Amino acid sequence: GAVVSQHPSWVICKSGTSVKIECRSLDFQATTMFWYRQFPKQSLMLMATSNEGSKATYEQGVEKDKFLINHASLTLSTLTVTSAHPEDSSFYICSASGGRGHYGYTFGSGTRLTVV
Amino acid sequence: AQKVTQAQTEISVVEKEDVTLDCVYETRDTTYYLFWYKQPPSGELVFLIRRNSFDEQNEISGRYSWNFQKSTSSFNFTITASQVVDSAVYFCALSARGGSNYKLTFGKGTLLTVNP
Repeated sequence: GAVVSQHPSWVICKSGTSVKIECRSLDFQATTMFWYRQFPKQSLMLMATSNEGSKATYEQGVEKDKFLINHASLTLSTLTVTSAHPEDSSFYICSASGGRGHYGYTFGSGTRLTVV
Repeated sequence: AQKVTQAQTEISVVEKEDVTLDCVYETRDTTYYLFWYKQPPSGELVFLIRRNSFDEQNEISGRYSWNFQKSTSSFNFTITASQVVDSAVYFCALSARGGSNYKLTFGKGTLLTVNP
């Protein structure tokens, strides 16, 4: 089946530094990538949607300059948290959809970010 | 706009009991997809089922069954003879067109605890 590899699975960084999270579709072409954020004991909140080769579309309230999303190829999307602060600590999950639109969403295993 | 409501925040049962997790959705689209995901403590989302808006046939998969009723906009999930390994957070989700992309909207989740 479709597999999405997300790395790193966890990361601890110092306040003020930037962190990059990678999401790769291993056996299909991901025309659309979704990035979610999940706080403890809460639901997944969509942060942004990106189509390969296009700028990401951010949800209302998400700072596009803070959460940089790049989807330069059909198999790779990255989320960079710039100038991270403790309040950015969260669980980030990517999801890939490959050409079939809403038919299938394949999720990465998530990245737990802790900013100290 | 899409909305998914999971009214049950937490459910606790004893092993071998049957349990039903409720899900009510809202959308103006006539074509949409409904999903259930399981999220164990590890955080990874486990896909359980996808149902399209034109298929109201109920489905059974082992101890799992789903009841989709368009008349009440509900997509409930029943676990028969629950087991301790079923303990997790369960999310109901709706995929409908939001702008140019099909977005996946999650409910707030139901934490199921199965006690031995």
